[in-house]
Amino acid sequence: KAGVTQTPRYLIKTRGQQVTLSCSPISGHRSVSWYQQTPGQGLQFLFEYFSETQRNKGNFPGRFSGRQFSNSRSEMNVSTLELGDSALYLCASSPTQGFTYEQYFGPGTRLTVT
Amino acid sequence: AQKVTQAQTEISVVEKEDVTLDCVYETRDTTYYLFWYKQPPSGELVFLIRRNSFDEQNEISGRYSWNFQKSTSSFNFTITASQVVDSAVYFCALSEAEGSSYKLIFGSGTRLLVRP
Repeated sequence: KAGVTQTPRYLIKTRGQQVTLSCSPISGHRSVSWYQQTPGQGLQFLFEYFSETQRNKGNFPGRFSGRQFSNSRSEMNVSTLELGDSALYLCASSPTQGFTYEQYFGPGTRLTVT
Repeated sequence: AQKVTQAQTEISVVEKEDVTLDCVYETRDTTYYLFWYKQPPSGELVFLIRRNSFDEQNEISGRYSWNFQKSTSSFNFTITASQVVDSAVYFCALSEAEGSSYKLIFGSGTRLLVRP
């Protein structure tokens, strides 16, 4: 089975712009979660989607949003980018909703905001 | 509140040494799940083990072993005869129900450097 894929792998944006990141889960997985990883804050949960509905949400401002399509692919959008949004954004998929089973992570998208 | 503490920020060992990575957690629930993930330099987190709160059996998988002790709220990870390829950041994570949803909290990670 192909693993979780994320595109693009690297992005450079300017403060104030918006960005959309994409994630394709493992075939058959219906849950997709997003995480932000920074040296200062570590790994932080953003949100989880299951069957096209947001099921869980972390403590991030409304500038961070996402959606999931009927084929389970997911996109994450960040509007009005700030310098502090520079991070590695990881996507993970799982066959089930919630976090009771292991997740399979993609390679991440490295976002740099200048 | 949920909390996962990995007190060891960085550990450096010489190849073939045994090394233990500590993980201490806090939770109010009786039902919860613990995980270990490995993040090699490539950046992709790799799942290593899952344990639910009702299963205190230790587990061994090759050179890896895990010691789960509810009495001390710890879920420690030992690598026996470490190898250079074990160099990575290792994360411990805790999942528990919060209302109708689950929350997943990662520890801050332990960077392991295995020197040849």
